Amino acid sequence: SQTIHQWPATLVQPVGSPLSLECTVEGTSNPNLYWYRQAAGRGLQLLFYSVGIGQISSEVPQNLSASRPQDRQFILSSKKLLLSDSGFYLCAWREASKLFFGSGTQLSVL
Amino acid sequence: SQQGEEDPQALSIQEGENATMNCSYKTSINNLQWYRQNSGRGLVHLILIRSNEREKHSGRLRVTLDTSKKSSSLLITASRAADTASYFCATELLSNDYKLSFGAGTTVTVRA
Repeated sequence: SQTIHQWPATLVQPVGSPLSLECTVEGTSNPNLYWYRQAAGRGLQLLFYSVGIGQISSEVPQNLSASRPQDRQFILSSKKLLLSDSGFYLCAWREASKLFFGSGTQLSVL
Repeated sequence: SQQGEEDPQALSIQEGENATMNCSYKTSINNLQWYRQNSGRGLVHLILIRSNEREKHSGRLRVTLDTSKKSSSLLITASRAADTASYFCATELLSNDYKLSFGAGTTVTVRA
């Protein structure tokens, strides 16, 4: 069966520091992968999605970037974090129109 | 921008009662989905209803879709304390096969 791993679960970073969040999927090949961000008490905002290795689509201009170096690996990065980057980051993969989410990373930028 | 909007924002009910929440959207869709999120966790897919369907059931869940009104409802019957969570609708647009747009969610509290 397919599983999705996302880490770390929580992260506290100072403003201006770099960020790297990793997501890996097991049990499937060539999945569509997604990064969403959720502000406290709000809905999900799509940040990036990828339909294959090296193929990244950005949904909103921001301080973040994404990469897909391997088929089942999706990385969210920033060179310099801003206070506004705080939030709950969720990785997901898609099958038959449905999304399957990881457990999320709570990022606090201080 | 968010395509769907849930109503109400929050709902508090007694165990055993039914919970109903609504979702409205703006543009034509391929399908509409409902997800559940427990506090601090990832979202879990509950049910998908296609644009040519009007009603679907899954256990204690009943979803309706009215494409003429661009709205959907999720009914949870005989609620349990374990149903306490946030519920989100998500829409897949006709124009796009790869992305789901989520609403802001309805927070449901079931009192024991």
